[in-house]
Amino acid sequence: GAGVSQSPSNKVTEKGKDVELRCDPISGHTALYWYRQSLGQGLEFLIYFQGNSAPDKSGLPSDRFSAERTGGSVSTLTIQRTQQEDSAVYLCASSSGPGSYGYTFGSGTRLTVV
Amino acid sequence: DQQVKQNSPSLSVQEGRISILNCDYTNSMFDYFLWYKKYPAEGPTFLISISSIKDKNEDGRFTVFLNKSAKHLSLHIVPSQPGDSAVYFCAASVKPGNTPLVFGKGTRLSVIA
Repeated sequence: GAGVSQSPSNKVTEKGKDVELRCDPISGHTALYWYRQSLGQGLEFLIYFQGNSAPDKSGLPSDRFSAERTGGSVSTLTIQRTQQEDSAVYLCASSSGPGSYGYTFGSGTRLTVV
Repeated sequence: DQQVKQNSPSLSVQEGRISILNCDYTNSMFDYFLWYKKYPAEGPTFLISISSIKDKNEDGRFTVFLNKSAKHLSLHIVPSQPGDSAVYFCAASVKPGNTPLVFGKGTRLSVIA
């Protein structure tokens, strides 16, 4: 597609439930990033995929968070047993590859845990 | 530990005047810096960047200045326009490498007509 697509745009879930957030990167972009923005905070790095390399998971805040990228394209971020502190806007970005800093971001998924 | 700091959460400027947004960093390994702009309910969009081999980069109304010795950069917008009202994020990275960008907390700019 023309841009990075994220779904859903909004998600309200009950504490303790699992959620899946989806990201469709720009076609041909080999690098994909997940960030989140909590209220009053900056963009916090979560995980980074580059081609077929092992992902950089160094930003995942706990083992309740995981992500996969199938076929080098679509990525899913899964949060298990959601907590209220997981409430944030989750942003996905893609770029053409390592050394490219021209990230294109999606519009994000606003997650609210009640 | 915040490696990229934007100490002003908000800034208000009159239309036509200069807007100056500041950013400080602590990691001396950073050598590539970017500014992103974000409107509500949209993802951040790339605005302008600068490499550490330069101290200034200009693109139309936007100029970024880098002071490596002070670990400080700033974004100047002149003249400011109401459409510039947005949140501006400073970001930095080590180059070369596959390290993701590190972002600051952002500064909300309001340009008043």
